[in-house]
Amino acid sequence: SQTIHQWPATLVQPVGSPLSLECTVEGTSNPNLYWYRQAAGRGLQLLFYSVGIGQISSEVPQNLSASRPQDRQFILSSKKLLLSDSGFYLCAWSSGFGNEQYFGPGTRLTVT
Amino acid sequence: KNEVEQSPQNLTAQEGEFITINCSYSVGISALHWLQQHPGGGIVSLFMLSSGKKKHGRLIATINIQEKHSSLHITASHPRDSAVYICAVSNMEYGNKLVFGAGTILRVKS
Repeated sequence: SQTIHQWPATLVQPVGSPLSLECTVEGTSNPNLYWYRQAAGRGLQLLFYSVGIGQISSEVPQNLSASRPQDRQFILSSKKLLLSDSGFYLCAWSSGFGNEQYFGPGTRLTVT
Repeated sequence: KNEVEQSPQNLTAQEGEFITINCSYSVGISALHWLQQHPGGGIVSLFMLSSGKKKHGRLIATINIQEKHSSLHITASHPRDSAVYICAVSNMEYGNKLVFGAGTILRVKS
């Protein structure tokens, strides 16, 4: 069966520090991978998606970046965090666009 | 106007009540998804449907493509149903990526 992992579960970082969040998927090959952010009291916002290794599409301009170094690994990064980067970050995978998405447990990021 | 609108935003019910959450959308879709977000943040996919009706346990989801409307029903509600329920559509205009509603916060009191 397929599983999706995210770490860390929670993170408190100062403004201006770097960020690296990792997501890995097991039990499937060549998944679509997604990074979402949920700000406090807000809906889910798609940040990045990837249809294959090294293929990243950005949905919104921001100081975050994403990379997919391996088929089942998706990384969200920032060189310098802003206060507005605080939120709940969710990774998800699907077997294709429009198909059911399966979400990871999420990372709660607080930028202080 | 948001492409996916949910109502109500907040809902409080007594245990045992029948609950309905509504979702309306304004774009062409290939499928509609209902998701459940637990208080800890984890999200679970409840239903994906493109027509008619689906049932899983006490949960029922319906969709009316002509009216661009879907409903999620919970029968015999229980405090453990307390969660945020999110409607999302696979939007053909945006390459079938999901577009999310703002969510409905449900609290079921015992």
